[in-house]
Amino acid sequence: QVQLQESGPGLVKPSETLSLTCAVSGYSTSSDYYWAWIRQPPGKGLEWIGSINHSGTTYYNPSLKSRITISIDTSKKQVSLKLSSVTAADTAVYYCGRDRARGPTDHWGQGTLVTVSS
Amino acid sequence: DIVMTQSPDSLAVSLGERATINCKSSQTVLYSSNNNNYLGWYQQKPGQPPKLLIYWASTRESGVPDRFSGSGSGTDFTLTISSLQAEDVAIYYCQQYYSTPPTFGQGTRLEIK
Repeated sequence: QVQLQESGPGLVKPSETLSLTCAVSGYSTSSDYYWAWIRQPPGKGLEWIGSINHSGTTYYNPSLKSRITISIDTSKKQVSLKLSSVTAADTAVYYCGRDRARGPTDHWGQGTLVTVSS
Repeated sequence: DIVMTQSPDSLAVSLGERATINCKSSQTVLYSSNNNNYLGWYQQKPGQPPKLLIYWASTRESGVPDRFSGSGSGTDFTLTISSLQAEDVAIYYCQQYYSTPPTFGQGTRLEIK
């Protein structure tokens, strides 16, 4: 049973870097799946941020590419997200998920709310 | 980016009746080499993450009740709930994964009439 758990600060100041970690259990991160980050502003829809596979191959949303870094530590079964120069528009619930290769997101974490505010 | 547009934005259906949600993509999501539509449907209940219901436009995810079905091809797709149950109250999203970035529709809120 794949389980994903996001963790990180719930409050980040404007212009700083948002850092989140996703712990994966019940499945190896050294596999053919991609591990994704998706966000959802309060009361709004879903935005795919980016993904990474076990080899470190990344795909980023072009709208965020200049500010995103996604990394993976297969030994710790962790996937990390860094989003720099945050503004209030980056306030959202951040989900990590498992993407099937060229496929949908079939497992999701519970999500973590990150608020950008001074 | 491929733009996904759902209709209606909200829908109220009586228990036991059929619910139909539409999704239109700004360009085809049918990959001609394998004849697969790169289209999924998700259900999101309040305070929960989305749950995958349907992929390849019409393949039901394991464990999803058979009252949920997906249809369509190319740019026009439909999610149908054949007999609405109280637990189906949720927001439903379509998603294309044909090209990067994967993009979602704006969501359709389904309520009980």
